[in-house]
Amino acid sequence: NAGVTQTPKFRVLKTGQSMTLLCAQDMNHEYMYWYRQDPGMGLRLIHYSVGEGTTAKGEVPDGYNVSRLKKQNFLLGLESAAPSQTSVYFCASSYSQGTYSPLHFGNGTRLTVT
Amino acid sequence: DQQVKQNSPSLSVQEGRISILNCDYTNSMFDYFLWYKKYPAEGPTFLISISSIKDKNEDGRFTVFLNKSAKHLSLHIVPSQPGDSAVYFCAASAGNYGQNFVFGPGTRLSVLP
Repeated sequence: NAGVTQTPKFRVLKTGQSMTLLCAQDMNHEYMYWYRQDPGMGLRLIHYSVGEGTTAKGEVPDGYNVSRLKKQNFLLGLESAAPSQTSVYFCASSYSQGTYSPLHFGNGTRLTVT
Repeated sequence: DQQVKQNSPSLSVQEGRISILNCDYTNSMFDYFLWYKKYPAEGPTFLISISSIKDKNEDGRFTVFLNKSAKHLSLHIVPSQPGDSAVYFCAASAGNYGQNFVFGPGTRLSVLP
């Protein structure tokens, strides 16, 4: 069972470069999320989607864009990377939003911006 | 201002003993709580949940207790095993309001053989 798959696993960018992180889920979940994890700060929500073709801002959306063209995929883009975006990024999906529905996470993408 | 707090960054416990991980929250609208476990280089995995209509939920060696008046929950692991060594995150949501989960900063548990 694949569950939630993230690519790539690691990436190093120079300041100002752009990149896209891909998340794919095979559980037919409606809701998908992008989080970042930084030391001592837990997981913070960047953007989320409540269904195909929809996106919404989370707690820390600045500097990121997302797209959900297909139900199973959720893309996170960095248009002009900054050192402050060095982090581990996790994608998650759930059957419903918040209400009694746990999140299923991918294994993360470790991004370093120099 | 952190809505979900885990005030102990780390905890060490002897194998076979009880591990107690604590979590405090400030938002009285939260009505659904989760615990996640995370190993290095992996994503968090769901461990156990509790809704605000209960004060206890058990699953094998794992029990979560909720004290709504104190806005406090705890995860008990009995008996602790070396394989339980991981970072544990507490998360909360106001599910009835469609609010997304808010995570605590995590507690690193080390179970010593």
